[in-house]
Parts: sequence; C-alpha cells; structure tokens
Amino acid sequence: QVQLVESGGGLVKPGGSLRLSCAASGFTFSDFYMTWIRQAPGKGLEWVSYISSSGSTIYYADSVKGRFTISRDSAKNSLYLQMNSLRAEDTAVYYCTILFYWGQGTLVTVSS
Amino acid sequence: DIVMTQTPLSLSVTPGQPASISCKSSQSLLHSDGRTYLYWYLQKPGQSPQLLIHEVSNRFSGVPDRFSGSGSGTDFTLKISRVEAEDVGVYYCMQSIQLPHSFGQGTKLEIK
Repeated sequence: QVQLVESGGGLVKPGGSLRLSCAASGFTFSDFYMTWIRQAPGKGLEWVSYISSSGSTIYYADSVKGRFTISRDSAKNSLYLQMNSLRAEDTAVYYCTILFYWGQGTLVTVSS
Repeated sequence: DIVMTQTPLSLSVTPGQPASISCKSSQSLLHSDGRTYLYWYLQKPGQSPQLLIHEVSNRFSGVPDRFSGSGSGTDFTLKISRVEAEDVGVYYCMQSIQLPHSFGQGTKLEIK
C-alpha cells in the first residue's frame, strides 16, 4: 500500500537550517508530482512547495521562496525539503503528499 | 492566486442528521481537459488529512457513501447524509488547478 514517511523535523534556532525527507513506497514514485504542505499549531493547512514528476518544474509559496528548496531522488524514492533561514512562523507539522495520500507529518519547531 | 472560502467554519450536528459544507473558489476550477480540480479532505483529531472526495464528486477508496460532493465552476458542496460520531474533525476543500494550490479555512464538525 502507499506509504509516505517524513523525517528530519526537530527544534532549531531562528536562522538555522533543517532538511526534511519523505520516503515513498507502494506506488511508482517517478509518475507523481509531490507537494509539501504544513500546518502551524492549531491552524489550517498551508501549501508550501511543489515538484513535478520529472523534477523539472518547481514552485514555492511566497512565504518560503528563497529560503526553502524542494528536490527529489527517484533512485531513492524520496522527496526532500531543505529549509534555511528558518523563522518562528515556520513552526509547523510538515506533510508530504501526492494529494490522494499523506504522510504522518514531521514537526518543525523554530525557537530560541 | 485562487482563494478558497468555506462556510460555515463550524458545525454542531446530532448523530443521524445531515450536514453540509460549502466551498467557493475565486476562479473556476474547470480545466481545459474537462476535469474540475476540487478535493475534500477530513482531518480527524491528531491525524493527517485524509482524502474523501476528488474531482468534485468522486469518493475515494473506502470512503462511506454517506459522503457526497457536488458543484461546478466555483461553487462546491460536501454533504454528509447521516452524521456519525467518527465524522468529527476538520473538513478542508482544496484546489489543484493552479499553482499555488490552496485550501479553504477548514470547517470544524462536532457532534451534539
């Protein structure tokens, strides 16, 4: 069955960096575009970033543009999100999704 | 960017009674390929969002038939014919016709 397993979250100071990973299985990874979506504590869902099935098209929310980088590795069936210059407002659970299926999320906390 | 607006933001429903949630988009979600890219998700307490409905009216695998979706263009509705206790959570609509994808604010369903 389809599985998406995020990892890499944690506590980081403002201005710091983290790299999130999403391990995918149960489907043909190279056939699907992937997205990262986040949810701040007690808030709604916020779309963060998109990468096409081939990796050739990438898109970011304005709130993370220039600070976050999405990538994928089809050999490893994995999706990544490199997050730099982190801010308190980036604190959230980060989900990877192919829209029909979501991972369990990984919590990123940005605090001094 | 497309803005998604849900109403109401909260619902309190007696078990066995119907419930309805509206979602309006600021632009048509009808693509030139003839498909309408409107999804409905339910996020149960403490869980990741789960897909209920895709492309306006198509129930996802395993979703009970008491859930139904309808609408076209910019106006969409999710209906629950008879609410059950397990339906509590926050319901979100989402558009994927245009990047950035966007979500409604969420509708919190509670049981009376």
